[in-house]
Amino acid sequence: GAVVSQHPSRVICKSGTSVKIECRSLDFQATTMFWYRQFPKQSLMLMATSNEGSKATYEQGVEKDKFLINHASLTLSTLTVTSAHPEDSSFYICSAAQVNRGLTDTQYFGPGTRLTVL
Amino acid sequence: SQELEQSPQSLIVQEGKNLTINCTSSKTLYGLYWYKQKYGEGLIFLMMLQKGGEEKSHEKITAKLDEKKQQSSLHITASQPSHAGIYLCGNNAGNNRKLIWGLGTSLAVNP
Repeated sequence: GAVVSQHPSRVICKSGTSVKIECRSLDFQATTMFWYRQFPKQSLMLMATSNEGSKATYEQGVEKDKFLINHASLTLSTLTVTSAHPEDSSFYICSAAQVNRGLTDTQYFGPGTRLTVL
Repeated sequence: SQELEQSPQSLIVQEGKNLTINCTSSKTLYGLYWYKQKYGEGLIFLMMLQKGGEEKSHEKITAKLDEKKQQSSLHITASQPSHAGIYLCGNNAGNNRKLIWGLGTSLAVNP
């Protein structure tokens, strides 16, 4: 149980184009999903917290108009990198929070999306 | 400074050896999570510890929580090449469900 998928797993695009990444919780409902960015050999950097049916909460320094997040249902959140530039090339990982009865939520992670902007 | 410090940063062990990774927090541990990541892949949830003195095991991996020391340790017994990867600890930051992350410990197991 608690499987999270991401699509696509790998994308190469030209500078100036927009790229959409999907994050789905396959066997549970997630009211909260998180989007992370990870640079080579570094830890996770939280970009934003996505709550179903409401606006995402962005971390300091993350441009909300650049990284559009939509959490339209309890099983799907999307991250759109608008007008992508080479500096946006990175590994993007999403996680979905599963509510544990009486305990702190556990985040389950997708396999990640490798974005390369040429 | 880093809120969650992991040590060591990297570790190379011979197959069959035991090893311990530590995660020390400068703040209260509300819920301490351990994850494993293979390079270029997502994170795999290992264990979550919430109460002081709590200890959990999964196969050959045991995690403990020392609430007073604000520290958790992850112990691997009789390590195997399949244990290789990056181990990350994360602390629940409060009621907003965010996790504060350590920088990770890179583990290599030589056959």
